[in-house]
Amino acid sequence: SQQGEEDPQALSIQEGENATMNCSYKTSINNLQWYRQNSGRGLVHLILIRSNEREKHSGRLRVTLDTSKKSSSLLITASRAADTASYFCATDGIYNQGGKLIFGQGTELSVKP
Amino acid sequence: EPEVTQTPSHQVTQMGQEVILRCVPISNHLYFYWYRQILGQKVEFLVSFYNNEISEKSEIFDDQFSVERPDGSNFTLKIRSTKLEDSAMYFCASRGARGELFFGEGSRLTVL
Repeated sequence: SQQGEEDPQALSIQEGENATMNCSYKTSINNLQWYRQNSGRGLVHLILIRSNEREKHSGRLRVTLDTSKKSSSLLITASRAADTASYFCATDGIYNQGGKLIFGQGTELSVKP
Repeated sequence: EPEVTQTPSHQVTQMGQEVILRCVPISNHLYFYWYRQILGQKVEFLVSFYNNEISEKSEIFDDQFSVERPDGSNFTLKIRSTKLEDSAMYFCASRGARGELFFGEGSRLTVL
């Protein structure tokens, strides 16, 4: 299985602090993506990092990818209460047909004002 | 900004009944997906669809499930005879040019 697994499962921080979430996966990938889900809502794509990239930035988000360790991390800097959500990593495996993504269990982030 | 729309937002049905969940993917996208999320759990792949046929399906997507794109815009998921364990949020998605998925807001299915 190429299943992504995030840790921690839950993270509680104060506004202004940084939040780091990790993801591990099992098979070779084309890319790895991070999504955000507010409670009861759909998933929203945040950032995509290709297998030949090591780091990517988008606003307050920084993603790293280590294909030798099959792991990725998502860093949210200067967190805000509005960042409270679940965050999922998702992998696009090289053996996928049809471009499906496999999602991990997610990290539930709570940012306290 | 284009978005994926899903209807209904919530459906309550009796066990054994047929349910159809509807989705309108983003118009110029070519790959479409259904995922489900049981409350508090992870998002599980059900099926991918391209060029009017299924390109891949998971073990969850058994004979009780079917998908269709009847008219070039709607993309439907049918559950023929619902079971209690089919209760979940069902998400439709379509795929952008870089491989990112655009999700709808989901249809919550409650089977009694």
